[in-house]
Amino acid sequence: DVKVTQSSRYLVKRTGEKVFLECVQDMDHENMFWYRQDPGLGLRLIYFSYDVKMKEKGDIPEGYSVSREKKERFSLILESASTNQTSMYLCASSRISGGPEAFFGQGTRLTVV
Amino acid sequence: DQQVKQNSPSLSVQEGRISILNCDYTNSMFDYFLWYKKYPAEGPTFLISISSIKDKNEDGRFTVFLNKSAKHLSLHIVPSQPGDSAVYFCAASFSGTYKYIFGTGTRLKVLA
Repeated sequence: DVKVTQSSRYLVKRTGEKVFLECVQDMDHENMFWYRQDPGLGLRLIYFSYDVKMKEKGDIPEGYSVSREKKERFSLILESASTNQTSMYLCASSRISGGPEAFFGQGTRLTVV
Repeated sequence: DQQVKQNSPSLSVQEGRISILNCDYTNSMFDYFLWYKKYPAEGPTFLISISSIKDKNEDGRFTVFLNKSAKHLSLHIVPSQPGDSAVYFCAASFSGTYKYIFGTGTRLKVLA
């Protein structure tokens, strides 16, 4: 079974802090994604990566950056956390070929106060 | 511009009956459509997918139907069970790219 693990389930940070969200997958998937989920807005793509050190902006990249130094690990960085970044953050991974589905981690509920 | 739309935010169904969740899309170039199920405080779980070259895919109690001319897909759950109560997201993607575009979700409540 594919396992995508996010480092924290719940996180509370202060406005202006630099925040790191970590994600690890164990299935050698090429693609990794960061989404955020907000009520009424569904899942919106922040960044994705299709290879080590490669990244592309998604639909809402402002205020975020990412790092992928190893194939299995994809980090989301909030450079200076703000209250409007309070959300559920979801990491996912998928293969380049084969089935189209992405597999998600359990999510990190981030609250910025 | 929302390319994938789920116009019903919620749906209630009696246990044992059929649940039908709907999804509309605007881009005829999508190659795959997927359904995910999400419980509170958990990540989405993949349910079923369908290629744009097919019009039906079935997996146990779950069947997805694709109507390309109407740019519409639906997920049928038969029979519905209380454990099916969750938020269901449809998603679409293009082959050769890595992006999934999600709808806003439909909350299904199956009443015992």
